[in-house]
Amino acid sequence: QKEVEQNSGPLSVPEGAIASLNCTYSDRVSQSFFWYRQYSGKSPELIMSIYSNGDKEDGRFTAQLNKASQYVSLLIRDSQPSDSATYLCAVNNQAGTALIFGKGTTLSVSS
Amino acid sequence: GAVVSQHPSRVICKSGTSVKIECRSLDFQATTMFWYRQFPKQSLMLMATSNEGSKATYEQGVEKDKFLINHASLTLSTLTVTSAHPEDSSFYICSARVGEGETQYFGPGTRLLVL
Repeated sequence: QKEVEQNSGPLSVPEGAIASLNCTYSDRVSQSFFWYRQYSGKSPELIMSIYSNGDKEDGRFTAQLNKASQYVSLLIRDSQPSDSATYLCAVNNQAGTALIFGKGTTLSVSS
Repeated sequence: GAVVSQHPSRVICKSGTSVKIECRSLDFQATTMFWYRQFPKQSLMLMATSNEGSKATYEQGVEKDKFLINHASLTLSTLTVTSAHPEDSSFYICSARVGEGETQYFGPGTRLLVL
């Protein structure tokens, strides 16, 4: 059973702080990794994808991938109350035909 | 980014009726679309993978005769919940994959309430 694990949270950070969201996956052959944000009552929206070890930055968001440790993270700098949402980590399945989603981490940014 | 629409956004129906949900890729062709279900406070659960021109692939535990999926064109997939019951009440979300890549773009979702 391929799994994607996330701490459900809630993760609470003050406005302006760095939020760190973590995800581990069980399938060592996974090659593609995604972070989605889901506001309450809404569908997920893509934040970032990452395919290679290291860091990938996009605005206030940085995705970090460590394939050896089977670990992917998302850092949100200068957190804003509007960042309060559930963040879903997704990993491609072995066949590359679908994504396996974690249960998500709920982030709460207080002003 | 790629835009995916769903219709209707919300539907209320009586137990025993069938409900059809449409998922459209608006600015790209989607050879593969996915249907998910999400109950309150729970994670996304993949129901089935829909490929244009072929039968859908259902996940274990999903009744293919109850959740009919049709992917008749490169921009449209439909999910029909047949003989809906209150336990089918959920948030149904489709997504579409762009080209051969693995990135999925989600539609806005359809909230189904079966009375």
